[in-house]
Amino acid sequence: KQEVTQIPAALSVPEGENLVLNCSFTDSAIYNLQWFRQDPGKGLTSLLLIQSSQREQTSGRLNASLDKSSGRSTLYIAASQPGDSATYLCAVCPMDSSYKLIFGSGTRLLVRP
Amino acid sequence: NAGVTQTPKFQVLKTGQSMTLQCAQDMNHNSMYWYRQDPGMGLRLIYYSASEGTTDKGEVPNGYNVSRLNKREFSLRLESAAPSQTSVYFCASTRDRASQPQHFGDGTRLSIL
Repeated sequence: KQEVTQIPAALSVPEGENLVLNCSFTDSAIYNLQWFRQDPGKGLTSLLLIQSSQREQTSGRLNASLDKSSGRSTLYIAASQPGDSATYLCAVCPMDSSYKLIFGSGTRLLVRP
Repeated sequence: NAGVTQTPKFQVLKTGQSMTLQCAQDMNHNSMYWYRQDPGMGLRLIYYSASEGTTDKGEVPNGYNVSRLNKREFSLRLESAAPSQTSVYFCASTRDRASQPQHFGDGTRLSIL
C-alpha cells in the first residue's frame, strides 16, 4: 500500500532563508508527484507537478525534485518570505489508479519577519 | 473565475441527521473528487467521478453516498451523520485523471455532535 510521509511536520525559519521540505513515498510505481499549498481555512492550490519521467520542475522561487527510485521528493523555496507561510502537502498519483491521489500529512511552514 | 464552489462553508449537525454537501465547477472538467481532511492525516479520498454518469469508491467511502448530477455538479450525502464524520470536506476537479493538476474548493467544515 502506498504511503506518503512528510518530515518535518512543522518548520519555522527567519525571512530570507532558503529551505527544503521533504516528501517520501513507499512505492515507486507512480504517474507523478504533486506539491500543493494550503492557507488556513482554504483549499489546496497546486504548485508543481513532476511527471515520473522528470527530475525536477521550477516555478519562480520554487523548485521541486523527484528521485523515483529512492522514493523521495524535495520542495526547495528560495529567499523565503512571510507570505510563504502555509502548509505544504505532497501527493503521488499511483500507477494502479490514475484517478487517485495519495497525500502526505503536510509540513506547516512559518516564515518569521 | 469561480473555479470550484462548495456549499455550505460551515455546518453543525446532530448525530443521526442527514445532509448533502454541494460542489460545482465551472472549468468544464470531466473528473470530480470528494476528500476529507482530518488533523495529522492529510487528505483521504471518499468518492470520485471519472466522468459524468460514473462514480467510484475511494479510500474511505463508508457512511457516504455521492451523485454526479451533471458535468458541473457532484454532491456528497451523509445519510445518518456520526461524530467520526466530523471533518473538513474538500471537493476537487481535474480535466480528466487525478494525474493532472487538481483544483480545490475552499472546503466545508462539518461538526457532528
